[in-house]
Amino acid sequence: DVVLTQTPPTLSATIGQSVSISCRSSQSLLHSNGNTYLNWLLQRPGQPPQLLIYLVSRLESGVPNRFSGSGSGTDFTLKISGVEAEDLGVYYCVQSTHAPYTFGAGTKLELK
Amino acid sequence: QVQLQQSGAELAKPGSSVKISCKASGYTFTSYYISWIKQTTGQGLEYIGYINTGSGGTNYNEKFKGKATLTVDKSSSTAFMQLSSLTPDDSAVYYCARGIAAAYWGQGTLVTVSS
Repeated sequence: DVVLTQTPPTLSATIGQSVSISCRSSQSLLHSNGNTYLNWLLQRPGQPPQLLIYLVSRLESGVPNRFSGSGSGTDFTLKISGVEAEDLGVYYCVQSTHAPYTFGAGTKLELK
Repeated sequence: QVQLQQSGAELAKPGSSVKISCKASGYTFTSYYISWIKQTTGQGLEYIGYINTGSGGTNYNEKFKGKATLTVDKSSSTAFMQLSSLTPDDSAVYYCARGIAAAYWGQGTLVTVSS
């Protein structure tokens, strides 16, 4: 199975600070069809996860543009440009290039 | 708006089965697969599998073959997941989500397996 390693496990930030989360894959997530199926999710406390970014860098409808995704192959990054209070929670990367689809262990974003 | 409404919490005994439902609304049900995901504190998020809501075809994570059975009722826009031969390790929150990209999620169903 593909292992997704997220760093850091915990991230402390102040409101307005920009932060980045890394997701590294144990194998390339480039599909034979040319797409890279790497998504980012946010799970707020007591809520189900919600999709933020799909296909590495495409912003899901309704998601603020302070969120951005980048990367290729095995290395991916989620950046939040100016953290807001509503951004607190656990961020997950998830890949659906290789079966079985797998999730990272999560990065908890908390207020400093 | 897109909604996935899951059935309520279940308390089950070891060796028994439970069937969770996921009723979709706000979109054409057969236009998207339904995925199922397990969440525990220890194992995090695990992908169980998905069902093609149009054809009923399924794809399972090998780990959950024999444990989970995915079905769909197109007439009611509802997807189901049956979990069989329950053990305490099956205690978790189970989510349904729309599509493989999981753009929309149900609220989750807590399954507790205890004697």
